[in-house]
Amino acid sequence: DGGITQSPKYLFRKEGQNVTLSCEQNLNHDAMYWYRQDPGQGLRLIYYSQIVNDFQKGDIAEGYSVSREKKESFPLTVTSAQKNPTAFYLCASSSLPGQGSSGYTFGSGTRLTVV
Amino acid sequence: AQRVTQPEKLLSVFKGAPVELKCNYSYSGSPELFWYVQYSRQRLQLLLRHISRESIKGFTADLNKGETSFHLKKPFAQEEDSAMYYCAPLDGTASKLTFGTGTRLQVTL
Repeated sequence: DGGITQSPKYLFRKEGQNVTLSCEQNLNHDAMYWYRQDPGQGLRLIYYSQIVNDFQKGDIAEGYSVSREKKESFPLTVTSAQKNPTAFYLCASSSLPGQGSSGYTFGSGTRLTVV
Repeated sequence: AQRVTQPEKLLSVFKGAPVELKCNYSYSGSPELFWYVQYSRQRLQLLLRHISRESIKGFTADLNKGETSFHLKKPFAQEEDSAMYYCAPLDGTASKLTFGTGTRLQVTL
């Protein structure tokens, strides 16, 4: 089955620790995205990548970092510099415009809680 | 910067009643617009895109460039339509979506 997988589903972190969220896709999509979903605020873009070894900051990149060493993988690190990291994180992928884009495919999300 | 506004956080309708979920955008150029839906305990998924002008699950959405709106409509609401709905214009250059804050549709008997 083609799809996008996020792990873990739930993650607990102590204050001051970095934590990495995994996102893998086997859809052969070029573009991948990380969003943060908070009640009443919709989805806000953290980082996105359109090609391997390249990525751009979204609207709320501070306190986060990403890498794109493989087309299939786009891990997100929530660093200790992120002041309010408790949230639901969504990863998505898509083909690029001109490649028959059919919109984003989303993962099932990771709920991060700082304790 | 592009903006999208969904003015209603919650919309509650009776089964069989018409539904209209509002979406207004502020955008340079001609964006491609999408509606995404998130049912309880399911992934966020594409509902429809304006460019295809299709009807999915009885929902339609017309792009009104004069009013910069892309309202989602359905003539007769069903219980299974209860979900969170997000409007999202696409920045074609950067290939990224900007999501509205979402509207929760609640269909009651």
